[in-house]
This record gives sequence, C-alpha cells and structure tokens, in this order.
Amino acid sequence: DSGVTQTPKHLITATGQRVTLRCSPRSGDLSVYWYQQSLDQGLQFLIQYYNGEERAKGNILERFSAQQFPDLHSELNLSSLELGDSALYFCASSVTQGADYGYTFGSGTRLTVV
Amino acid sequence: KNQVEQSPQSLIILEGKNCTLQCNYTVSPFSNLRWYKQDTGRGPVSLTIMTFSENTKSNGRYTATLDADTKQSSLHITASQLSDSASYICVVSAILIGSQGNLIFGKGTKLSVKP
Repeated sequence: DSGVTQTPKHLITATGQRVTLRCSPRSGDLSVYWYQQSLDQGLQFLIQYYNGEERAKGNILERFSAQQFPDLHSELNLSSLELGDSALYFCASSVTQGADYGYTFGSGTRLTVV
Repeated sequence: KNQVEQSPQSLIILEGKNCTLQCNYTVSPFSNLRWYKQDTGRGPVSLTIMTFSENTKSNGRYTATLDADTKQSSLHITASQLSDSASYICVVSAILIGSQGNLIFGKGTKLSVKP
C-alpha cells in the first residue's frame, strides 16, 4: 500500500457520460498530480494541485477538470466521455509542490468507455 | 525541447539472466533522474532517484547509473526474477521551482522475464 488511495478501481461507463475519480494523498503530502495512461502509452501529465490551488496544467482536455479540497483529497471530473478516454488514471502525491524529492503513485482507476 | 528516450522498447530475457535498460535525455537544466517500476495495471513504484553528483545508486538487484556529461542513464537488473516483468520508466526532472512541469517521462521499457 503506497498510502495514496484512488477510488474507484474500475469504472465502466457509456459515451457522453460524466464520471468523477477520487484521490486521497499520502498523509502529510500537499501536492496531488493526475496522469492519464492509455494502452501501451507513457504517462501523460494532466494537472497538479498544491494545498488546494492549481499549480500546473499539462495536456488536459477542456472536458476534464479537477479540484483539491480543504482536506487535500482531489477529484478529477471527466465529462462528455469518448471512447478514446478509456485509460488508466493515476494520482500521485508529494510533500513539496515541485516533487523534488519524488512522489508516490496510487494504484490507479481503470476507466472503460463503451 | 526536453525529452527522455528509453531503449529498448521491449525486452525478453530468461530468468536468472542480467539485463540493462537505457535512458537518454535532453532535459536542461537537469535536477534529478528517477527510475520507476510499473507492474501491469498498477501504479509506478520508485526504484532510485539520482542527482547530478551521483553516478551510481543501488536498490537490491537494481543498479542505476548516471552520466550527466553524456546525459545517459542505465538501469541494470541482476539475476532477474519472474517478478521483474514490468515496465521500467525513466523520469528526468528539470530545475523549475514550484511546478510539476519539470518532470519529463520516458515511454518506458517493457521487460518480460521468462522461466
């Protein structure tokens, strides 16, 4: 157990729908990062939050949004889902906002859009 | 452009054999380099992290090397085990304060260890 908790582990939904993925960071970590990993592809950075504020944006679609709550858990909202959004979505957390000392990944949420 | 290239893309070896995975990067200015192991369908797990001044770091049967002059790193696995079957991801960090944008991921090397 890495200490980073992601729920749900699996999600199957239809095109056009909206889903919410949840991440609880490791105790003491203030930064949360979201990544998308499509089949046989590398990790693609989506967005980072630090202590409730957005810190960096990567290749995140406009249909996707995220937020970090006062208790530091984060949610990634995916709307108007398309088949191509099927992927593993990982959350990672770190103490610092620059991840200079490494960060810890959760076990991911596998999203299947049918 | 900051890039991280890993080779080979995939590798099959027999149990008990050694192997070496390569990572070349063009990230500048360089801060540190990390190797992660990712089992299929699981989150990546950190193996090593090396800064500019370190050229070797070991973690059990895993030994990472770094040549900051040539911007190359390698991950050597000795006496491979079936459980080493995974993707190995090289991640390089640029010196940018306060932003995740400093982490550049390689696409990984998929290692299969056969009995």
